[in-house]
Amino acid sequence: DQQVKQNSPSLSVQEGRISILNCDYTNSMFDYFLWYKKYPAEGPTFLISISSIKDKNEDGRFTVFLNKSAKHLSLHIVPSQPGDSAVYFCAASEVTGANNLFFGTGTRLTVIP
Amino acid sequence: DAGITQSPRHKVTETGTPVTLRCHQTENHRYMYWYRQDPGHGLRLIHYSYGVKDTDKGEVSDGYSVSRSKTEDFLLTLESATSSQTSVYFCAISEPSRTDTQYFGPGTRLTVL
Repeated sequence: DQQVKQNSPSLSVQEGRISILNCDYTNSMFDYFLWYKKYPAEGPTFLISISSIKDKNEDGRFTVFLNKSAKHLSLHIVPSQPGDSAVYFCAASEVTGANNLFFGTGTRLTVIP
Repeated sequence: DAGITQSPRHKVTETGTPVTLRCHQTENHRYMYWYRQDPGHGLRLIHYSYGVKDTDKGEVSDGYSVSRSKTEDFLLTLESATSSQTSVYFCAISEPSRTDTQYFGPGTRLTVL
């Protein structure tokens, strides 16, 4: 049973526009959330994270929003660049510092020049 | 980039044969993990290690064993490979203070015929 869900397998965005990737979760015990980016033939790369005590975290062009009541988080990329084209995975853990990360199935982002 | 290598990067084997995958890190991180990535499932934790000779099971540990005799090496063994173990395997590492933020190796693509 998938506890972290990314319902959009793919997303295409024009260069310079905003990319919004969504993630939903079912486990109310999750309290730490991460986004990873993955290029073909490489391992996932940590991008940004957020603790459940916050509702927003920014790092340059990347912002993650958390809505705990809706069990929903989103990753905003502004402005989108062709180099952002990759598969993005959402992940969650039950307790900060826990060993088991639960991953979504990924969303393939294509940024069109 | 975290200093993580995996070997081999690609392997084709036959059902019933033993297979060992190796993860090597140069970061001296205490925690190491093995995940598998499959379409429709994202990444799922197989086993993890929290120190030399200290290991524990993850979400999908059946059919796999691990060993860690040195801080820098974490081995994943399929005692008798099956076709359902065809997958891409990723190793990850993390620091004890932040086990929820994990850094991944480049992956090993295993095909069991």
